[in-house]
Amino acid sequence: DSGVTQTPKHLITATGQRVTLRCSPRSGDLSVYWYQQSLDQGLQFLIQYYNGEERAKGNILERFSAQQFPDLHSELNLSSLELGDSALYFCASSAPNLWGSGANVLTFGAGSRLTVL
Amino acid sequence: AQKVTQAQTEISVVEKEDVTLDCVYETRDTTYYLFWYKQPPSGELVFLIRRNSFDEQNEISGRYSWNFQKSTSSFNFTITASQVVDSAVYFCALIRGGATNKLIFGTGTLLAVQP
Repeated sequence: DSGVTQTPKHLITATGQRVTLRCSPRSGDLSVYWYQQSLDQGLQFLIQYYNGEERAKGNILERFSAQQFPDLHSELNLSSLELGDSALYFCASSAPNLWGSGANVLTFGAGSRLTVL
Repeated sequence: AQKVTQAQTEISVVEKEDVTLDCVYETRDTTYYLFWYKQPPSGELVFLIRRNSFDEQNEISGRYSWNFQKSTSSFNFTITASQVVDSAVYFCALIRGGATNKLIFGTGTLLAVQP
């Protein structure tokens, strides 16, 4: 158990629908990251939050949004789903780095597998 | 731009063989960090090692060893005396030094260890 909790583990839905993926970071970690893993795109960085604020954005579609709440859990919202959104979505967390440098190890959750039919 | 290349898509070995997974990276930064993660068939991503750009010492951890060479921009991973439990997809990744912790992953190498 990595300490990063993701729910649900599996989700099957239809095109056009909206889903929410939830992530609880490891105790003490302030940063949360979302990654998408698909066969054609590999592991792609979507977005990072640090203590409730957006820190970095990657290849995240406009149909997708995320937020980090005061208790530090995060949600990734995927709307107007398309077949191509089927993927494994990972959440990761990392400890705060006092020097502000990108050196921290990311601890990943088990992932949420989304299937869009 | 930063990029990580894992040219080996799939490798198949027989148990007890040694195997090396290649990783070549591109970055213009002087400060950066390199990682290896393992993704077993169960799907989770497991951290194996982190190395910063100022530390070129090779590292050994049990049957695992890593060879970092800045001159060739490579960070290769060797498993000695492979075991069936080593079967997984292995990802090399890069973080540039700075305020964000954005991991850039390679495409991964699928290692199959046959009994």
